[in-house]
Amino acid sequence: GAVVSQHPSRVICKSGTSVKIECRSLDFQATTMFWYRQFPKQSLMLMATSNEGSKATYEQGVEKDKFLINHASLTLSTLTVTSAHPEDSSFYICSAAGLAVRETQYFGPGTRLLVL
Amino acid sequence: SQELEQSPQSLIVQEGKNLTINCTSSKTLYGLYWYKQKYGEGLIFLMMLQKGGEEKSHEKITAKLDEKKQQSSLHITASQPSHAGIYLCGAASGGGADGLTFGKGTHLIIQP
Repeated sequence: GAVVSQHPSRVICKSGTSVKIECRSLDFQATTMFWYRQFPKQSLMLMATSNEGSKATYEQGVEKDKFLINHASLTLSTLTVTSAHPEDSSFYICSAAGLAVRETQYFGPGTRLLVL
Repeated sequence: SQELEQSPQSLIVQEGKNLTINCTSSKTLYGLYWYKQKYGEGLIFLMMLQKGGEEKSHEKITAKLDEKKQQSSLHITASQPSHAGIYLCGAASGGGADGLTFGKGTHLIIQP
């Protein structure tokens, strides 16, 4: 149980385009979803927290207009990287938490974004 | 802000040997999570500790949280090649509604 999926697993895009990443909790309802970013050989850094039906809370230094988060249902959150630039190239990982899993955060497999 | 220090940064252990990874927090921990990651992949949940002095085990992995809730250790007994990977400790400042702060990870290599 407690499976979280992400799609796509890898994406390559041109600079200036937008990319959408989906995060789904497959077997539990995620009241809260989190988006993290991981640069090579570094640890995960929290970008934002989203609760179903409400606006996401962004960490300091993360541009909310650049990283659009939508948590439309209890099983789906999306992260859209708008007008992507090469410096946005990174590994994006989501996690989901819910009452059914006693608030433990379960992570998706990650999405590797490469902006050319 | 909370900071987590993991040690060692990397560890090479001969198969069959025991090992310990430490995680120290600058603040009292509400909850301490241990995850395993293979490079470029997602995180696999190992254990969560919340109470001071708590100890949990799963297969050959044991994690402990000290009484003051500022330090945790992860111990692997009789290591196997499948234990290789990056071990991350993560701290919650509140309940599950808070994002986690992670340490930089410990890269474990198991030598046959």
